Amino acid sequence: DVKVTQSSRYLVKRTGEKVFLECVQDMDHENMFWYRQDPGLGLRLIYFSYDVKMKEKGDIPEGYSVSREKKERFSLILESASTNQTSMYLCASSLGSNTGELFFGEGSRLTVL
Amino acid sequence: AQTVTQSQPEMSVQEAETVTLSCTYDTSESNYYLFWYKQPPSRQMILVIRQEAYKQQNATENRFSVNFQKAAKSFSLKISDSQLGDTAMYFCAFGPSYQKVTFGTGTKLQVIP
Repeated sequence: DVKVTQSSRYLVKRTGEKVFLECVQDMDHENMFWYRQDPGLGLRLIYFSYDVKMKEKGDIPEGYSVSREKKERFSLILESASTNQTSMYLCASSLGSNTGELFFGEGSRLTVL
Repeated sequence: AQTVTQSQPEMSVQEAETVTLSCTYDTSESNYYLFWYKQPPSRQMILVIRQEAYKQQNATENRFSVNFQKAAKSFSLKISDSQLGDTAMYFCAFGPSYQKVTFGTGTKLQVIP
């Protein structure tokens, strides 16, 4: 059974703190993605990676960075958290050459106070 | 830029009835994929159904089927014999490639016993 695991389901952080959101997949997928989900806005792509150490900006990369040192792990970093980054963050992965089916983690709900 | 529009923020349907969720998209691409994803309450998002744009035949998966109108850029989801487990957020998504998938804002479906 395919599995995308996000390290934290719920986090509460203070403004200005550095935040790490970790995602691990066990399917040997080439592509990994970080989305942000907000009510009324749907899912918006923050960053994606198509290979180890490779990354591409999505639609809303400002205030975020990512790291992919190993194929199975993709980290989202908030260098200095702000209240407008309070959101649900979804990690997903997909094969490199298929027709795009995304496999999602359960999400990490981040609250920045 | 690609856009995906879901004009129905919320819908409800009686158990065992049929419901149709609407989706329109805008693109200049000729080859692409369309998806419907389901996000049950507090659970991870999963793929419901996928359609390749070059295929004229509408995709079906058990009780789920789509009405794909390429010229009109319309991609609606029909759920037949609705079940309580169908209660979820449904997201329409568009992908010109497997690396860039754009999501709509979602439709919250409530199945009423």
